[in-house]
Amino acid sequence: DIVLTQSPGTLSLSPGETVTLSCRASQSFSSHFLAWYQQRRGQAPRLIIYGGSNRATGIPDRFSGSGSGTDFTLTITRLEPEDFAVYYCHQYERSPVTFGQGTRLEIK
Amino acid sequence: QVQLKQSGPGLVKPSETLSLTCAVSGASLSSSNYWGWIRQPPGKGLEWVASMFHGGNTNFNPSLKSRLTISLDTSNNQFSLTLNSVTAADTAVYFCVRHAITGIQYWPAPVDNWAQGSLVTVSS
Repeated sequence: DIVLTQSPGTLSLSPGETVTLSCRASQSFSSHFLAWYQQRRGQAPRLIIYGGSNRATGIPDRFSGSGSGTDFTLTITRLEPEDFAVYYCHQYERSPVTFGQGTRLEIK
Repeated sequence: QVQLKQSGPGLVKPSETLSLTCAVSGASLSSSNYWGWIRQPPGKGLEWVASMFHGGNTNFNPSLKSRLTISLDTSNNQFSLTLNSVTAADTAVYFCVRHAITGIQYWPAPVDNWAQGSLVTVSS
């Protein structure tokens, strides 16, 4: 199985700042099969990025994904209050599909 | 607008069977999407459980496969999950989901629609 490790576990930032979240894989895979989800407290996850860098429907261009091989990132610029949530990376190159353990963005 | 609505008991006794159903509106189970289940233990991360295509192709998480059954009822546009011999480790919020069509491959695929989720607690 491909193990995804996200770092850091928690980040404390202020609205307006820019943040980069990391997702590292135990095996190399194509960025075409990397997604990111946002999960606000008490809600279901929401697809943010798929195919490594493609924004899902309705996602603002403040969100961007990049990376290759074993290292992938999600960058959020100009943080808005609604961006403070937990973010999960997800590989779907091969089954079983797997998720990272999540990075929590909290307001400083 | 695609909506997924789950139903099923919130409490299951150890060693018994967990059963959940997901009713879909705004989309057809006969589409080219995969449909499946993901779970999230309280305070923890996401774990894929199983996913299925209406043509019959079914994929299971190997760690759960021996205890799982999933099925699609295209006539009623709903799909179901059963997990046998449950233990406290199966306590989680279970989400039924629709996998996206990305144009690269049908499976595996990311999830573009999630139900709200339902907490299933395994306890006597």
